[in-house]
Amino acid sequence: SYEVTQALSVSVALGQTARITCGGNNIGTKNVHWYQQKPGQAPVLVIYRDSFRPSGIPDRISGSNSGNTATLTISRAQVADEADYYCQVWDTSFWVFGGGTNLAVL
Amino acid sequence: QVQLQESGPRLVKPSGTLSLTCDVSGGSISNNNWWNWVRQPPGKGLEWVGDIFHTGSTHYNPSLKSRVTISLDKSKNQFSVRLTSLTAADTALYFCARGSEAGALDVWGRGTLLIVS
Repeated sequence: SYEVTQALSVSVALGQTARITCGGNNIGTKNVHWYQQKPGQAPVLVIYRDSFRPSGIPDRISGSNSGNTATLTISRAQVADEADYYCQVWDTSFWVFGGGTNLAVL
Repeated sequence: QVQLQESGPRLVKPSGTLSLTCDVSGGSISNNNWWNWVRQPPGKGLEWVGDIFHTGSTHYNPSLKSRVTISLDKSKNQFSVRLTSLTAADTALYFCARGSEAGALDVWGRGTLLIVS
């Protein structure tokens, strides 16, 4: 089955840019969705189809996907961005989630 | 605005069967959406369980396929998941979610905690 890998944790200084990656074989040929999950809450879709933002998601959050890596970029990071982030990819007949990355804003 | 609400037992014995229901409000389950179940063991990441379309077509996580069944009831505007042969490893927060045209899960329920003990 298709495997996607995410770093366990990423840290970023307040106001700087955080990049969270999702690695997979030729993931650039697939649609990648990204979710933000804060403690005790359901996940929230923040990016779909690699780079599209649902309504209500700030343009500080963006996505890209090429080659073997999909990237979620959070610019001007805020304390409110601290959360777990998950990527999601379709593998032939089922969805696969990455293991999740915890973002800490220092 | 579509809202989802999970319901079901909180505690089930090992080897037992789980049945959870997701009530869909603010929209029809017969729309062109896939209706999903996702679970999250305590302190761990998300695991996709499966989905169903209003035609009855389903997809399942291969790791659960032999034990899981997802169904829907159009008359009640709800869909359900049934998981058999439960073990402690099935202890998790179970979410229902709506799949958009792109497949992204754009609406989620709050989740319901299932404990197998």
